[in-house]
Parts: sequence; structure tokens; C-alpha cells
Amino acid sequence: NAGVMQNPRHLVRRRGQEARLRCSPMKGHSHVYWYRQLPEEGLKFMVYLQKENIIDESGMPKERFSAEFPKEGPSILRIQQVVRGDSAAYFCASSPPWQGENQPQHFGDGTRLSIL
Amino acid sequence: AQTVTQSQPEMSVQEAETVTLSCTYDTSESDYYLFWYKQPPSRQMILVIRQEAYKQQNATENRFSVNFQKAAKSFSLKISDSQLGDAAMYFCAYRRDNAGGTSYGKLTFGQGTILTVHP
Repeated sequence: NAGVMQNPRHLVRRRGQEARLRCSPMKGHSHVYWYRQLPEEGLKFMVYLQKENIIDESGMPKERFSAEFPKEGPSILRIQQVVRGDSAAYFCASSPPWQGENQPQHFGDGTRLSIL
Repeated sequence: AQTVTQSQPEMSVQEAETVTLSCTYDTSESDYYLFWYKQPPSRQMILVIRQEAYKQQNATENRFSVNFQKAAKSFSLKISDSQLGDAAMYFCAYRRDNAGGTSYGKLTFGQGTILTVHP
């Protein structure tokens, strides 16, 4: 019964390159959340997705960032033309459909993105 | 918008002693959930305890318990019989209730409290 799987664990990019972060939710979970944690800070919500739908992207920067959760495969957080300020830990969390009991989110181990 | 505030950047405790971490929040909602998450140096986010706002009884999980004061919007975490493995960053978090036909599980986190446990 695997938990939330994120890869890669560490990702190094040079300024101007693209970063792709992957998240496979727990089995049976159809809701995915992405959070960003800057150094010495708490986690900040970025985007909430269900299969093939973006439900809330109020925490996403307006430019360069995008997210998807296709019908098949993992959720992807994509950062284009990365800058030094994008260096952070990016966490994915998943939860089951809300129709059941309100469930806490289960977190992956995060991807640490470093921009050179 | 909801906000969560942890006013203690750092706390320390002797092994086997008790420590309390503070958290306050601001919301206009009446139904919501509150959580404490632990983040050790490995960076995992581990759920420690959760509290439903409609429940008056404080949640407990083994050595961890909360003091939930809804009117004061306060949600402190008490760790009893502290162990070396409790050393971590602790985050308080808020989430709206999913009732009312909306499916909205976004968590709002506080800034975190670093807990050091001395042997």
C-alpha cells in the first residue's frame, strides 16, 4: 500500500531551464494538492487538482508555473524558465474523494528543487 | 482569508518532560479542521493529530494532545514524556470543512516551530 510518491527527490536546474516534478497519489485518491516550502518557512498552497480538472490554482504564480493531473499517469507540476527564487521544496499531497469522511491529506516526501 | 500563526519560532524541552506549542488562527467559518504536522530533518510531513471544530472534546493521540479553544481561536499541541525522536519542525494547519457541496481541502499552514529535545 504505497504512499504518495514524488520524483525526483532532488532536481537541479540551471536558470532558464524547465523543471518537471511528478506526483503519484495514494491508491484510491483522486485529489492532488501541490505546496511549496521556501527555506525556513511553512508550506504554501499552490494548486488543487482532480483528475483532468484544476479546481483551485489561486496559489500558483501567474507566469511560468502550470500543473496537470491527467486521466492516466501522475500529476505534473511544471516550471518553465526557472529562476533562483524557484529554489524550494515542493510537496504533493493526496486525499480520497470528499463524498466519504473528510480525510486528512497524505504527503509525499517532497522534491527539493535547486536552481544554479 | 484564513491565517494561521505560530508565535514560537523555536522551543526546547528536556527528554521526558512536557512541552506545549502554540497556534492561533483566524477564520470566519464555523466548520473546519485543525491539524498538527511534524516535519523531521528528513522533510517528511507526518500527521500528528487532527481536531474537528464541531467537537468540543480535545483530540488525543498517545503522548500528543491538543487544547482547542474555539472562541479564542487557539489550538495548542501538548507533547508529554518528550522523546528524542520528537525533535522536528511542527506545523499547525487549518482546513475548511468539505460540507456544502464543495470539495475543497486546501491546507493553510503556520510558519512552524522548531522543537529541540535535550537528553
